Amino acid sequence: RKEVEQDPGPFNVPEGATVAFNCTYSNSASQSFFWYRQDCRKEPKLLMSVYSSGNEDGRFTAQLNRASQYISLLIRDSKLSDSATYLCVVLGSGAGSYQLTFGKGTKLSVIP
Amino acid sequence: DAGVTQSPTHLIKTRGQQVTLRCSPKSGHDTVSWYQQALGQGPQFIFQYYEEEERQRGNFPDRFSGHQFPNYSSELNVNALLLGDSALYLCASRARGDGGEQYFGPGTRLTVT
Repeated sequence: RKEVEQDPGPFNVPEGATVAFNCTYSNSASQSFFWYRQDCRKEPKLLMSVYSSGNEDGRFTAQLNRASQYISLLIRDSKLSDSATYLCVVLGSGAGSYQLTFGKGTKLSVIP
Repeated sequence: DAGVTQSPTHLIKTRGQQVTLRCSPKSGHDTVSWYQQALGQGPQFIFQYYEEEERQRGNFPDRFSGHQFPNYSSELNVNALLLGDSALYLCASRARGDGGEQYFGPGTRLTVT
């Protein structure tokens, strides 16, 4: 089983739609979780951290289910500028605590 | 507030050659990590440096080595380049004691021919 798994997509959605991405991770001892956004041929940029209580930042909502080892990202009212690859990221625990483990990413295209 | 910077932006090398990539962390950050991102893949952790020592290493061969300087900047060296080393090399920095968020530089795109 891969350490972090995501549906690669692509997700093609119209402007204004709501879209959800899911991610699972294998290391139950992982402590920190993030969503990064990566535009084509650019570096990953931190979108948001994911907390056990869930957290929201404008149109973006992230949720964590530790029991199922499952992370989600919800984007409401999609904009053209949301088109990018979204990377699910887990920070290791213990000896691996400084290592970010990335999923392969989910590609989103928002269509006019 | 300067972000993470990397040089060079692009590089073309021949199999068997050696390459050095450079990174300056974000202001206030003392920890630098290096990642390799092949086309269509997520970044893969190479290693992390702080206090001028390698603290954690991913599943990469000894051909990959690094260094951190007293000003927290870092170098990634790759010896005996293989075609499979062609990738985007990303540097990320963080401040120890922060919540784990790392901030990435624009990367160096290495092509091995």
